[in-house]
Amino acid sequence: GEQVEQRPPHLSVREGDSAVITCTYTDPNSYYFFWYKQEPGASLQLLMKVFSSTEINEGQGFTVLLNKKDKRLSLNLTAAHPGDSAAYFCAVSASSNTNKVVFGTGTRLQVLP
Amino acid sequence: EAAVTQSPRNKVAVTGGKVTLSCNQTNNHNNMYWYRQDTGHGLRLIHYSYGAGSTEKGDIPDGYKASRPSQENFSLILELATPSQTSVYFCASGGTGDAETLYFGSGTRLTVL
Repeated sequence: GEQVEQRPPHLSVREGDSAVITCTYTDPNSYYFFWYKQEPGASLQLLMKVFSSTEINEGQGFTVLLNKKDKRLSLNLTAAHPGDSAAYFCAVSASSNTNKVVFGTGTRLQVLP
Repeated sequence: EAAVTQSPRNKVAVTGGKVTLSCNQTNNHNNMYWYRQDTGHGLRLIHYSYGAGSTEKGDIPDGYKASRPSQENFSLILELATPSQTSVYFCASGGTGDAETLYFGSGTRLTVL
């Protein structure tokens, strides 16, 4: 079945620096990709949902890149600020059924002033 | 706004005791999910439900039961709690359709002594 590896587990950057979190997955048929953000003491909230057909997805202050050849999904925060400090989880699925979604192990990002 | 409420937030139980974790959603979503989160693992699916009266086994259902008495409520039951079930548990709801966005509760931290 699908396996998802997320790196790094912990990341500390200075305010204004970029931060990159990467997930690699194993199922070449993976089609649905998610990034969730979990602020301290809060629940996970969807940051972005992307589909296999789109390789570059831009959000507010971040970019999600999908490299299907290398089976790699990345979240790039372009100029991190302290409000970005949180845990980030990728999730991947080859199926539209949510019960088939596989989550990464999470990255705890700390943005220092 | 979508709302998923879990109770209790923290629970300490004894080995062999019965534990019930509760989840309530006001999103009118058909689908609900129970996950556990452990260091070194992504969120892992325990049980899920497609609607009132339905429960399905997820990837790691052993030692857990689930109950969906209504659209709004979904419970996770540990009949005989064990220390290996010490974890953070998340409930989520999601609508129908492809690659649904999950709306998570704030989690329940369970410690089994």
